[in-house]
Amino acid sequence: NAGVMQNPRHLVRRRGQEARLRCSPMKGHSHVYWYRQLPEEGLKFMVYLQKENIIDESGMPKERFSAEFPKEGPSILRIQQVVRGDSAAYFCASSRKDRGANSPLHFGNGTRLTVT
Amino acid sequence: KQEVTQIPAALSVPEGENLVLNCSFTDSAIYNLQWFRQDPGKGLTSLLLIQSSQREQTSGRLNASLDKSSGRSTLYIAASQPGDSATYLCAVSSNTGKLIFGQGTTLQVKP
Repeated sequence: NAGVMQNPRHLVRRRGQEARLRCSPMKGHSHVYWYRQLPEEGLKFMVYLQKENIIDESGMPKERFSAEFPKEGPSILRIQQVVRGDSAAYFCASSRKDRGANSPLHFGNGTRLTVT
Repeated sequence: KQEVTQIPAALSVPEGENLVLNCSFTDSAIYNLQWFRQDPGKGLTSLLLIQSSQREQTSGRLNASLDKSSGRSTLYIAASQPGDSATYLCAVSSNTGKLIFGQGTTLQVKP
């Protein structure tokens, strides 16, 4: 039973380029969360998605960032026109939700984005 | 606005020692509280989940307690081992499952 799969593990982009981060949730999980961990900071919530719906995007920066979780395929976190401050580890987590909010979140190993 | 604080930020102990990590949160209206472990360059591993109606959970050498009214949780690690060296994160959950994390406690267990 594969865990939450994130790719790529490491991503290097130049300022102004686009970054696409992918997350495949655990089998049977239909809820996806994205978190960002800046250097020397804790994990910060970005967005919560269910299939084809954004439920809570209160942690997403207002510009350049978007997320989707289509009916088929992985969830995508997209960062347009990256800047050096976007350099961070981006983690995806998934849950089942059939036990309500008490379903534990399972995290992937993250994508480490470096903007040069 | 929910805020989660973990004390201490770092801890170094000799192997075999029992230790306690502390977590506090400002809003007691939580759904559950989770403790995670994060190894350098890796993702998060869930250690224990305590529902808001529970007082504690145990798994092996780990015991986590929850006092919702005072906004506190502790993670007790018995007979610590070098393999326990990692960053331990506390997170509280809203009813949507969204987690608010503390900054973590970085533990080093010396052989």
